[in-house]
Amino acid sequence: GAGVSQSPSNKVTEKGKDVELRCDPISGHTALYWYRQSLGQGLEFLIYFQGNSAPDKSGLPSDRFSAERTGGSVSTLTIQRTQQEDSAVYLCASSATGSSLGDTQYFGPGTRLTVL
Amino acid sequence: QKEVEQNSGPLSVPEGAIASLNCTYSDRVSQSFFWYRQYSGKSPELIMSIYSNGDKEDGRFTAQLNKASQYVSLLIRDSQPSDSATYLCAAELQGGSEKLVFGKGTKLTVNP
Repeated sequence: GAGVSQSPSNKVTEKGKDVELRCDPISGHTALYWYRQSLGQGLEFLIYFQGNSAPDKSGLPSDRFSAERTGGSVSTLTIQRTQQEDSAVYLCASSATGSSLGDTQYFGPGTRLTVL
Repeated sequence: QKEVEQNSGPLSVPEGAIASLNCTYSDRVSQSFFWYRQYSGKSPELIMSIYSNGDKEDGRFTAQLNKASQYVSLLIRDSQPSDSATYLCAAELQGGSEKLVFGKGTKLTVNP
């Protein structure tokens, strides 16, 4: 596909369960970002991957959150032992080089996570 | 002060008017700024970026950056109902981290 894709589009889970969210970036894009958007809030940075470099995990809110990017392409965000405050839309974005000067981040449609 | 702050609105303007959206920022961000538009239930899309002091025009949109006063604004001329959306201001953090910090967004409604 031409754009960033994410799956699932919606996920409802029970408190305490683990969830995996998937992001497929635009082909050839080396930079991949995960953000979280809670109701009525702006986007909160979670983690950033650039090529083969170590990811910038500075935005992950707790050690229950982790992410990996396999083969420099698809990324999975995992939330362990989900809590109700994890309910949000999780957005993935990719950009060609990760250099924001003149480089556009393209967003996927997001995964809406609801923790009951 | 948060890195990027926006008036959450809502902002309501009549069709054909100029909509003015404002954003202030702290010293913790660099000089790269972005305006994203987000329709309800959709993902953000970039509409303007600005790096230099002054104005940058693209069609009906003009971004303005004032580094002395630490604010960046977006003007939408001849507003259309299709412009109704939430507008997010974003900036890159200092230190070349390539990650963006976003304001909470301003919800704009253009009334026909």
